[in-house]
Parts: sequence; C-alpha cells; structure tokens
Amino acid sequence: EIVLTQSPDTLSLSPGERATLSCRASQSVCSSCLAWFQQKPGQTLRLLIYDTSTRATGIPDRFSGSGSGTDFTLTITRLEPEDFAVYYCQQYDNLITFGQGTRLEIK
Amino acid sequence: EAQLVDSGGGLVQPGGSLRLSCAASGFNFDNYAISWVRQAPGRRLEWVAGISDSGHSTYYADSVKGRFTISRDNYNNKLSLQMNSLGVEDTAVYYCAKGTGRYCSGHRCYPFDSWGQGSLVTVSS
Repeated sequence: EIVLTQSPDTLSLSPGERATLSCRASQSVCSSCLAWFQQKPGQTLRLLIYDTSTRATGIPDRFSGSGSGTDFTLTITRLEPEDFAVYYCQQYDNLITFGQGTRLEIK
Repeated sequence: EAQLVDSGGGLVQPGGSLRLSCAASGFNFDNYAISWVRQAPGRRLEWVAGISDSGHSTYYADSVKGRFTISRDNYNNKLSLQMNSLGVEDTAVYYCAKGTGRYCSGHRCYPFDSWGQGSLVTVSS
C-alpha cells in the first residue's frame, strides 16, 4: 500500500498570501496518478487537481499542482476567504489511498 | 452536472447489518466506475469498495472483505453497499464517489470527480 503523508497538518495564513501544501508518497507514484481535493465543513469533497497538475472543471487558476516521484505540491496563490478548508491528496497508481489532510486556517 | 445522493446511514448494534444506497444523476452512470469511501472520526479517508462500469469487477479493502458487498443497478442509476457483521471500527461517514474511469486497469485506478454528501454509520451498543 502506498502511504501518503501530508504536511503541514495545519497551515495558518492570511487572505492574499500564498499557500504551499505537500504530499509525500512512501514509494514512487506515476506522474499522472495524483489528485488533490478540498473539503469544507458541511460540504462534499471537491476535486481540484488530477494527474498531478491538471485543474478540474471550474477550478480557478490560483490553484496549481506539481511534483513527481514521491513529492507533490498543491499551491494556492493569493488566498481567497473561501479557500480556507481541509485539503487531501489521493494517489491512484496502486489502487487508491489518501493523505491524512492539511487544514488551511485563517491566521 | 453529476450528482450523487447517499442514503441509508444510521445507528446499528455491533454484529448488525445496514445497506447504503447512492442515487446518481446528471451523467451516463453505466460509463463510470463508482466507489464507497469512508472517513472514521480522526482518521484519513479510506477506499472501502469499488465497482467497474459494468459491475463485473469489484474491489474491497481488506478491512471489509467478506463482510461488505458493493453492487450497482445501471438501469436505475443506483449504487448499493450491503454491510454485514458491523463492528465499532466501521463507524464512519460513508461517501459514494464517481471515478473518472470505467475500471481499474491492473492496480492503476482513477481519481474521483464527484462525491455524495456522506451518510453517517454509527455502530454502537
């Protein structure tokens, strides 16, 4: 099983700042096999990025994904108030597993 | 726009059974794999069960193998999860989730592009 470890667990930033979230895999993941999701309280999960760097339909371009091998990153430039949420990564190279989540909170 | 509506959650005693349902709309249901993903309190998301577009291929996490059965009705656009021999460790919010692909090819699977709102299953005496 591929274990995904996200860091940090909690990230405190202010609107307008840049957020960098990390997802590290216990073994190499194919470059088109990693996704990122957003979850807000009381709402369903929302796909942001798939295949490491492809934005899902309707996702603003302030969200971007990058990485390869075992290290992947979700970057949110110019944080908006609605971006404060929990973010999860998912790998689908070897079945499906998820990271433990990073909580992005307002500083 | 794809929409998934989960139902069937509730309180059940250890050793009991429960059946979850997921009603799908807004997309060609029989063209996509669908899964159940759960999140127990304080734990990460766990892929519990998946089924291919045709229903011919299924996947189960080791933690539920032999106790849970996933099925789909492509005529009525409905997904089900029959859960038997439930234990307290099965307490979680269960989400149905639509994959972007038809099936897992070997071990290579798919991301989920639509999720249900979640159905809470509580196993407790």
